[in-house]
Amino acid sequence: GAGVSQTPSNKVTEKGKYVELRCDPISGHTALYWYRQSLGQGPEFLIYFQGTGAADDSGLPNDRFFAVRPEGSVSTLKIQRTERGDSAVYLCASSLDPSPGANVLTFGAGSRLTVL
Amino acid sequence: SQQGEEDPQALSIQEGENATMNCSYKTSINNLQWYRQNSGRGLVHLILIRSNEREKHSGRLRVTLDTSKKSSSLLITASRAADTASYFCATVLANAGGTSYGKLTFGQGTILTVHP
Repeated sequence: GAGVSQTPSNKVTEKGKYVELRCDPISGHTALYWYRQSLGQGPEFLIYFQGTGAADDSGLPNDRFFAVRPEGSVSTLKIQRTERGDSAVYLCASSLDPSPGANVLTFGAGSRLTVL
Repeated sequence: SQQGEEDPQALSIQEGENATMNCSYKTSINNLQWYRQNSGRGLVHLILIRSNEREKHSGRLRVTLDTSKKSSSLLITASRAADTASYFCATVLANAGGTSYGKLTFGQGTILTVHP
C-alpha cells in the first residue's frame, strides 16, 4: 500500500483479555518494527522483523507479548492476559533499507490500546 | 531505555518566530534523525544527519550535530501554526550497537506550540 496501515485504530478491552493488533507495511519494505508509546513519552522499541523472522525481539517486555509475520508482509502483535499497564499507543513502522546508515522509518498512525 | 533527551520538554512561540529544540545522547552514534508527530499518532521522518556531518538543511529546517558534546539541535525558521507538533530525536548507535541493522532509539520529545 501507499503507507503503513494499522488496525484497529482504537481498542478498548478488559483486564485479562487477549488482543491482536495488525500492521500492513509499505509494499516492498522487508523490514518491519513495532514500538510502544505511552502518554508523554517517546516510542519504545519492541521488535524488529526482517522478512518473516524476528531478528530482534529484545524490547518485548515479557512473554505475554508475541508478534508474527508469517508471509513477510502483514504483522500481528499479540498480547495475552492484558494488564492496565499495557495501555499505550502501539506503533508499527517499516523501512526499505534497514542498514545502520540508511534506516529511515515510515510509521503507521498507531493502534491506541486501553485496558480497563 | 531512552538514548536521547530533548530539551526543552515544551516550547511555546508566536508564528513567524524561530523554534530551537535540542537533543543530547549518551553513546557514540552512526546517525541521528528527527521525527515529527501530530496529535499523538504516527511519526513522520524529517531529516537524518550522519556522525561525520555537522549541519544539514531541509526547507525551513536546520539540524546541527556536535559529536564532541553528543548533542544535536533542530531549528525551525519562520514557524507556522501548522508546525505545532511533538518533535523527537532518534539515534542509531555506532557499530549498530552490536546489531546488524539501524535500530532507532527515541528520546522523550519536545512539544512545540506555535500560536497564530
